[in-house]
Amino acid sequence: SQQGEEDPQALSIQEGENATMNCSYKTSINNLQWYRQNSGRGLVHLILIRSNEREKHSGRLRVTLDTSKKSSSLLITASRAADTASYFCATDAGYGKLTFGQGTILTVHP
Amino acid sequence: DTGVSQNPRHKITKRGQNVTFRCDPISEHNRLYWYRQTLGQGPEFLTYFQNEAQLEKSRLLSDRFSAERPKGSFSTLEIQRTEQGDSAMYLCASSVFRGGPKETQYFGPGTRLLVL
Repeated sequence: SQQGEEDPQALSIQEGENATMNCSYKTSINNLQWYRQNSGRGLVHLILIRSNEREKHSGRLRVTLDTSKKSSSLLITASRAADTASYFCATDAGYGKLTFGQGTILTVHP
Repeated sequence: DTGVSQNPRHKITKRGQNVTFRCDPISEHNRLYWYRQTLGQGPEFLTYFQNEAQLEKSRLLSDRFSAERPKGSFSTLEIQRTEQGDSAMYLCASSVFRGGPKETQYFGPGTRLLVL
């Protein structure tokens, strides 16, 4: 079963704008990870944030984690058409297996 | 430096037939995971191995499903007597597990199964 929900389910923006996606989960976690999936393809790992971290950056990506609210957000700054994809959050409760959300479909218009 | 590979990439079969998928993990990765993804959903965990030992199986994995990882290298996932509900993308991932909170899984391109 899915761990939680992602919000919004779909997001449509113009190139150069920022995109923010949110993820909520239900159980305690070891870490939370964000993945990108282009249509019909495998998942690409973007960033991992541990449960004792609150914010992490990687290039144009910024991830926050609030364990008290059991939520995370992914911010993509200065979006590009190539960022068009589905984005998934996944939680690791410490056993290795990942529990994914339902994903946010991001469309960036040139 | 090769990533995770999966074969075949696509499989069309008739209901009732058996199918087998193969996953080759990144060299020296000791953990290997199988997930299933249906259209519009996130991947769901099926099973995983640490070296050759199968450590956990999801309740999603009925008796018709079996997975192996002989010698702790490649893995196979077999579905017997396929049903239309088995149609999905089957994803494999591998990782280096040393304990601790920072295990990153690397995914293969997936095998898309269509059961007619």
